[in-house]
Amino acid sequence: NAGVTQTPKFQVLKTGQSMTLQCAQDMNHEYMSWYRQDPGMGLRLIHYSVGAGITDQGEVPNGYNVSRSTTEDFPLRLLSAAPSQTSVYFCASSPGTSGANRLRKQYFGPGTRLTVT
Amino acid sequence: GIQVEQSPPDLILQEGANSTLRCNFSDSVNNLQWFHQNPWGQLINLFYIPSGTKQNGRLSATTVATERYSLLYISSSQTTDSGVYFCAVLNYGQNFVFGPGTRLSVLP
Repeated sequence: NAGVTQTPKFQVLKTGQSMTLQCAQDMNHEYMSWYRQDPGMGLRLIHYSVGAGITDQGEVPNGYNVSRSTTEDFPLRLLSAAPSQTSVYFCASSPGTSGANRLRKQYFGPGTRLTVT
Repeated sequence: GIQVEQSPPDLILQEGANSTLRCNFSDSVNNLQWFHQNPWGQLINLFYIPSGTKQNGRLSATTVATERYSLLYISSSQTTDSGVYFCAVLNYGQNFVFGPGTRLSVLP
């Protein structure tokens, strides 16, 4: 198993550009999520999905879109990048199905470091 | 929403020393987990511990849910323990709230 993979590892964007951060997992996990990590802070949830075709907003969803057309993939789209979106982005997946158990064993990707100038 | 605090924010140890990291949370929770982020950024689950005590090698964790805190103990620290330790809680909702982390540096 490759686990959770993310591409690219690093990206520099100019303000106003758009891009998609890719996330894939090969463990057949139903639950997937995107977090951002800013310096001196813990991870904050952007969007999550409990299965193909189902997505929902997390704590900081503004400026980001997601879709989940397959179990394996959960891309994160920045429609018009802003300097405030400079951060490290982590994708995670989990095999759980209920609230607490869903997050009992989360597998994180290696992260994407995004800089918006 | 629920607030999560961690202390200390930074900790520097000599190899072989013991340490205690603390996580306080502002409301009752039905899930609490500790994570380690290594210096290369990789996040690893350490413990799922909504209550009670668990041990895994040199690491152990205790959560006193009624008093809204959890402790992570690291004994005989090694340089590979360096990184940031996060606690994250779930208060009967859908998703985790992470604390700000404790940055641990273990010196050889």
